[in-house]
Amino acid sequence: GDSVTQMEGPVTLSEEAFLTINCTYTATGYPSLFWYVQYPGEGLQLLLKATKADDKGSNKGFEATYRKETTSFHLEKGSVQVSDSAVYFCALRNSNSGYALNFGKGTSLLVTP
Amino acid sequence: DAGVIQSPRHEVTEMGQEVTLRCKPISGHNSLFWYRQTMMRGLELLIYFNNNVPIDDSGMPEDRFSAKMPNASFSTLKIQPSEPRDSAVYFCASSSTQETQYFGPGTRLLVL
Repeated sequence: GDSVTQMEGPVTLSEEAFLTINCTYTATGYPSLFWYVQYPGEGLQLLLKATKADDKGSNKGFEATYRKETTSFHLEKGSVQVSDSAVYFCALRNSNSGYALNFGKGTSLLVTP
Repeated sequence: DAGVIQSPRHEVTEMGQEVTLRCKPISGHNSLFWYRQTMMRGLELLIYFNNNVPIDDSGMPEDRFSAKMPNASFSTLKIQPSEPRDSAVYFCASSSTQETQYFGPGTRLLVL
């Protein structure tokens, strides 16, 4: 079945450092890929998405490119801020298996001043 | 837009009691999802509805869990009887485009 694998956390970075959170997936067909962010005590918010190969999703300085050849959707940001501290979830939706999202385990990010 | 509304935000109950979680999706959305989040298992889909009809309930852990969606603006997730291992954060999400799901703030359930 479909699955999403994220790098283990927690990730601790200093403010203005470069961020990469790795995400790879296994799926049949052509899934859509998502990054969600969860701030402490809150629900999940969509951060960005890509619906086909080579698409790049971007939002709030974060980017991720849908790489079908490597089945990856790595999240990057050039300069993180303390306010980016949160848990980040990679997810896929595969029309072959309905409309539900299949989430990775989440990666906790802590940015220190 | 009020977003997805869940109630209660926090629930503490004793083992064996019935628990009912409530969700109001975003107006106009035709898909509704219930997820459970725990440290051990991460985010798991429990059930989802499309146009008020349950489409996939394979994630519902056992018969103690049941979910209903009597109309387009309301859904419930019920646990009867509750057990300590049901302690988790339960999220409701809704969607109209079958792509982007919008999540509620969650209900934090603690079963003693």
